[in-house]
Amino acid sequence: GENVEQHPSTLSVQEGDSAVIKCTYSDSASNYFPWYKQELGKGPQLIIDIRSNVGEKKDQRIAVTLNKTAKHFSLHITETQPEDSAVYFCAASTSGTYKYIFGTGTRLKVLA
Amino acid sequence: DTAVSQTPKYLVTQMGNDKSIKCEQNLGHDTMYWYKQDSKKFLKIMFSYNNKELIINETVPNRFSPKSPDKAHLNLHINSLELGDSAVYFCASSLGTSPFGANVLTFGAGSRLTVL
Repeated sequence: GENVEQHPSTLSVQEGDSAVIKCTYSDSASNYFPWYKQELGKGPQLIIDIRSNVGEKKDQRIAVTLNKTAKHFSLHITETQPEDSAVYFCAASTSGTYKYIFGTGTRLKVLA
Repeated sequence: DTAVSQTPKYLVTQMGNDKSIKCEQNLGHDTMYWYKQDSKKFLKIMFSYNNKELIINETVPNRFSPKSPDKAHLNLHINSLELGDSAVYFCASSLGTSPFGANVLTFGAGSRLTVL
């Protein structure tokens, strides 16, 4: 079946450094790739997404890149801050399926 | 105003009991979901309804029964609760799909179920 692999499972960075989280998807028909941030005790919240007709998207300190050929997509956070500490999930979805396949999550710790 | 609200936030109950979790969205979305998040934080789809019609039903024990009285509400009823049902259950909604893929999934804050 379809799956999404996400690495690393945990990531610790110093405040101000960059963080990169990578995901690989298996279903070549996937065409929508959101990233969610889940803070302690809360539901996942969308932080950025990318569709298959775009290779890169940026929103202030966060960016996402997509390589459709390799079926990889990545989240880049620059100038990390303590409030970036959370669990991050990638996901892949396909038109018409209503199904989002989530990665296994990355726990990011930004050390002050 | 909360976009996707679910109640209760916490639920502690004994094995064998029956319990329900309710979800409501005020976003005007057509599609609603139930996800289960286990202790390792894995997010797994359980059910999805589009305009009150069941469209996704993953391999979930038939002790779990979703009900959608209208497209703004999706409730989850669980019979004969087992220890393994302990998890955080998230309700979510989306506008449906577009030609370029699914639309944004908006989650509720979660309902933590503990079965003793």
